Amino acid sequence: GENVEQHPSTLSVQEGDSAVIKCTYSDSASNYFPWYKQELGKGPQLIIDIRSNVGEKKDQRIAVTLNKTAKHFSLHITETQPEDSAVYFCAASRNFGNEKLTFGTGTRLTIIP
Amino acid sequence: DGGITQSPKYLFRKEGQNVTLSCEQNLNHDAMYWYRQDPGQGLRLIYYSQIVNDFQKGDIAEGYSVSREKKESFPLTVTSAQKNPTAFYLCASSPSGVNYGYTFGSGTRLTVV
Repeated sequence: GENVEQHPSTLSVQEGDSAVIKCTYSDSASNYFPWYKQELGKGPQLIIDIRSNVGEKKDQRIAVTLNKTAKHFSLHITETQPEDSAVYFCAASRNFGNEKLTFGTGTRLTIIP
Repeated sequence: DGGITQSPKYLFRKEGQNVTLSCEQNLNHDAMYWYRQDPGQGLRLIYYSQIVNDFQKGDIAEGYSVSREKKESFPLTVTSAQKNPTAFYLCASSPSGVNYGYTFGSGTRLTVV
């Protein structure tokens, strides 16, 4: 089955700087890659996703890049703000039938004011 | 507004008791999932259901049971056979076919007293 590794497990950045979280996946048939943000005591929320026919996708301060050859994808947050502090999860799945998502182990991002 | 509702938000259970966690969605999603999250840890899949009256075990199903009698509802019972039930439980749902990711509920925090 699919295996998703996520690094780093914790990340602290100065407010205004950029943050990058990286994930690698094992199943070359995976073609859907979402990112979730989980604030303390709440459920994860989808913040951005990318499909394998695209190499990069942006939404305001967040972007995701995908390298299918190397089987890795990354979340980039620019101009970080205190409200970006949360746990971020990456995930991967095949995009047919009812394939389940396989989640990474999460990254705790702390923005230092 | 469409969404997924988990109740209660906090639940206390005495040792040896069964408890049932509620999960209801009005998103018309076919698939529903239960995850367990321990402090500082990732998401572990307990059970999932891709269609009414059918469900499959996830990675940590022992000590748990589910039912899927209605499309909108996927309750989870934590039985007395679950030796370490204290955790944060998350329910999620997704449409079938093309993967648009999961919508998560806000979670139920279960504590054994």
